[in-house]
Amino acid sequence: QVQLQESGPGLVKPSETLSLTCTVSGYSLRNDYYWVWIRQPPGKGLEWIGSIYHSGSAYYTPSLKSRATMSMDTSKNQLSLTLTSVTAADTAVYYCARVACYYESNGFGPVCNYFDYWGQGALVTVSS
Amino acid sequence: DIQMTQSPSSVSASVGDRVTITCRASQGINTRLAWYQQKPGKAPKLLIFAASNLPSGVPSRFSGSGSGTDFTLTISSLEPEDFATYYCQRSNSFPPEGVTFGPGTRVDFK
Repeated sequence: QVQLQESGPGLVKPSETLSLTCTVSGYSLRNDYYWVWIRQPPGKGLEWIGSIYHSGSAYYTPSLKSRATMSMDTSKNQLSLTLTSVTAADTAVYYCARVACYYESNGFGPVCNYFDYWGQGALVTVSS
Repeated sequence: DIQMTQSPSSVSASVGDRVTITCRASQGINTRLAWYQQKPGKAPKLLIFAASNLPSGVPSRFSGSGSGTDFTLTISSLEPEDFATYYCQRSNSFPPEGVTFGPGTRVDFK
């Protein structure tokens, strides 16, 4: 069974760098899948941060593109996320998730656009 | 950017009720829509993908429909464990168009 577990410091000071790791078990990151990072500020909705492919190619939401970096360590079966110059607005629960794919009824595909396995989330608070 | 809206933002219901949640995209997205259920303190759980497909293990009281800009999630008979927040989510296939979630609909006890 695929399992994901986020880990990292729960408290980060303003202007510093947030670093999180997502350890994947039950599935090799060397396989052909995308993975995503998503965050959720307390009491608010879900925000996609970015996606990373098994090749290492990464794509970011425009609002975080200048500050976010995702990477993958296939030897450790881990994903990582760093976010620089954090502010209180970056306080959130951070999730990693696996992207799943399907074929449309017209045969088009694979369409890889939904998230079937999620980590339990890691709360990161930005505060001095 | 494609925007997603949901209605209602919250609904009060009782066990056994039929509940319908609507999700609307600002432009057509074919059937490239998923639904998730989230309980307090927990990660979202996938309920529906490709607008109407249930993953293995999701109860059949959940159903999804729609295409283009208008989608619905229906819970045919609410169970106690269904009180939660529900999010719709769109994305074209990766990359690079990104992902957008709806703002969520909370289903709570009447």
